[in-house]
Amino acid sequence: ELKVEQNPLFLSMQEGKNYTIYCNYSTTSDRLYWYRQDPGKSLESLFVLLSNGAVKQEGRLMASLDTKARLSTLHITAAVHDLSATYFCAVVPGSGTYKYIFGTGTRLKVLA
Amino acid sequence: KAGVTQTPRYLIKTRGQQVTLSCSPISGHRSVSWYQQTPGQGLQFLFEYFSETQRNKGNFPGRFSGRQFSNSRSEMNVSTLELGDSALYLCASSRTGGFPTNEKLFFGSGTQLSVL
Repeated sequence: ELKVEQNPLFLSMQEGKNYTIYCNYSTTSDRLYWYRQDPGKSLESLFVLLSNGAVKQEGRLMASLDTKARLSTLHITAAVHDLSATYFCAVVPGSGTYKYIFGTGTRLKVLA
Repeated sequence: KAGVTQTPRYLIKTRGQQVTLSCSPISGHRSVSWYQQTPGQGLQFLFEYFSETQRNKGNFPGRFSGRQFSNSRSEMNVSTLELGDSALYLCASSRTGGFPTNEKLFFGSGTQLSVL
């Protein structure tokens, strides 16, 4: 059974600081997604990573994928309050399947 | 264009009752999947439908069922509700359910189910 673990589970950081969220998965997957969820809201897609070494950036967020290590990172640069949310990574366990296995989520709080 | 629409937004039921949740996908999307979100278990896959066929099912008891109609709208049903079924139920749609490989899921706002 594919497992997807994120760490940390909770992250409280000051505005302007940098930090990284880690996503480890246990078996081969051909793609990895990052989503954001604001309290009481739905999930919003941030990034899709499809190959080893893939890097995507949007504003203060940058995601990368290392398929050999089965690791993805979401790096936050110079955090601002608006980034406060819960971040999830998700993998699809192999081609031909249609279910997304989500990580445990990282609840990020950016303090002013 | 309109996003994924889920109804109702909130539901309160008692143990033993059954409930039906509805999901209307984005126009043109033929894949609809359902997820259960709880603080303890996180986001768990329930099932996925494409063109009225269930293609994948998660590890949930038979009390959880779903269906998809010819217009791609989907419903999920939970019978004999238990306290542990209290959760946010999220519906997601996409064109094909995962292929081409860069396709992402679009989520609805969810239905918050409380079982008393």
